[in-house]
Amino acid sequence: EIVLTQSPGTLSLSPGERATLSCRASQSVSSSYLAWYQQKPGQAPRLLIYGASSRATGIPDRFSGSGSGTDFTLTISRLEPEDFAVYYCQQYVGSVTFGGGTKVEIK
Amino acid sequence: QVRLMQSGAEVKKPGASVKVSCKTSGYTFTDYYFHWLRQAPGQGLEWMGWINANSGATNYAQNFQGRVTMTRDTSISTAYMELSRLISDDTAVYYCARNPEWHFDYWGQGTLVTVSS
Repeated sequence: EIVLTQSPGTLSLSPGERATLSCRASQSVSSSYLAWYQQKPGQAPRLLIYGASSRATGIPDRFSGSGSGTDFTLTISRLEPEDFAVYYCQQYVGSVTFGGGTKVEIK
Repeated sequence: QVRLMQSGAEVKKPGASVKVSCKTSGYTFTDYYFHWLRQAPGQGLEWMGWINANSGATNYAQNFQGRVTMTRDTSISTAYMELSRLISDDTAVYYCARNPEWHFDYWGQGTLVTVSS
């Protein structure tokens, strides 16, 4: 089973700042199999990025994904108030696993 | 529009079983796989397995093999997940999610299952 490690655990930033979230895999993951989700309290996760870098339908272009192999990054170029949430990476190689999440909180 | 509507919250005693439904609309049900995932209070996401909505084939995560059963009824575009021999650690929000390729594009709203004596 591939283990995904997200860092940092918590990111304290102000609206307008840039957020950089990391997801490291215990073994190489094809870019096709890596996705990112946003989750707000009391809500289901929402797909942001799939195939490591493709934005899902309706996702603003301030969200971008990059990376390959074992290191992947989600970047939010300028934080909006509605972006403060928990973010998860996910891989699907054989079985599905998620990272532990990064909480982006208001500084 | 695509919608996945799950059944309501459940309270169960240890040792009992629970069956959660996921009714879909807005697309062709049999064109996709469905996955079930859960999230314990304050915790991350845990994958439980999938069902091929067309063939009914299933694949369960090792942690749940022997306790979970996933089925579907194509006539009403609904997927089901039944978890048996419940313990307190099974208290969680259970989600169904549609799987187009290697990710999950639409999710149900979640069903809280509480296991308590």
